[in-house]
Amino acid sequence: GQQVMQIPQYQHVQEGEDFTTYCNSSTTLSNIQWYKQRPGGHPVFLIQLVKSGEVKKQKRLTFQFGEAKKNSSLHITATQTTDVGTYFCAGPRPNAGGTSYGKLTFGQGTILTVHP
Amino acid sequence: SQTIHQWPATLVQPVGSPLSLECTVEGTSNPNLYWYRQAAGRGLQLLFYSVGIGQISSEVPQNLSASRPQDRQFILSSKKLLLSDSGFYLCAWTHGGNQPQHFGDGTRLSIL
Repeated sequence: GQQVMQIPQYQHVQEGEDFTTYCNSSTTLSNIQWYKQRPGGHPVFLIQLVKSGEVKKQKRLTFQFGEAKKNSSLHITATQTTDVGTYFCAGPRPNAGGTSYGKLTFGQGTILTVHP
Repeated sequence: SQTIHQWPATLVQPVGSPLSLECTVEGTSNPNLYWYRQAAGRGLQLLFYSVGIGQISSEVPQNLSASRPQDRQFILSSKKLLLSDSGFYLCAWTHGGNQPQHFGDGTRLSIL
């Protein structure tokens, strides 16, 4: 079945350093979504990428969708302690008939720790 | 605006006891609803989803069941809990298609 893999599993950085997490799907995706989960909290939607090669920015966060629409990355410039949490990518999870009903397959997430 | 409520926030149950977790959505109609389980430090495992009242699809065989008695109500149940049912249970809704999912605050379930 469809698999979505994320690396690294853990990342420890000093405040001010950059951070990147990578997401790879076993299948071509119509879109990819990114979520952030703060410690003790629930996942919160960050962004959706749809087009091949698309790049979107949210302040210090840069999201990229690969040309083949099978991989994606999230890069954070100059991390801050508020960036701490787990970052998940997720792609549509279709049934055998090809309809996803909004279902998603989530990657295992990258746990980011920022040391002040 | 739309909101999603889950309760209880935490629950400690003995092995073999029943379970009922409730999730309700406000401010929207006919949402797609989802139950996930998250083990500590791990990703989200989709357990059930529903596209309408009484319509439940299971993604993984397990000791749990789900029901949707009303349009905006989604219930996760078990007749007899196992130790392996421990985890963080999250309910989410979306309008389907490629729309983002919106999660409730979750229930932390510990089985003793």
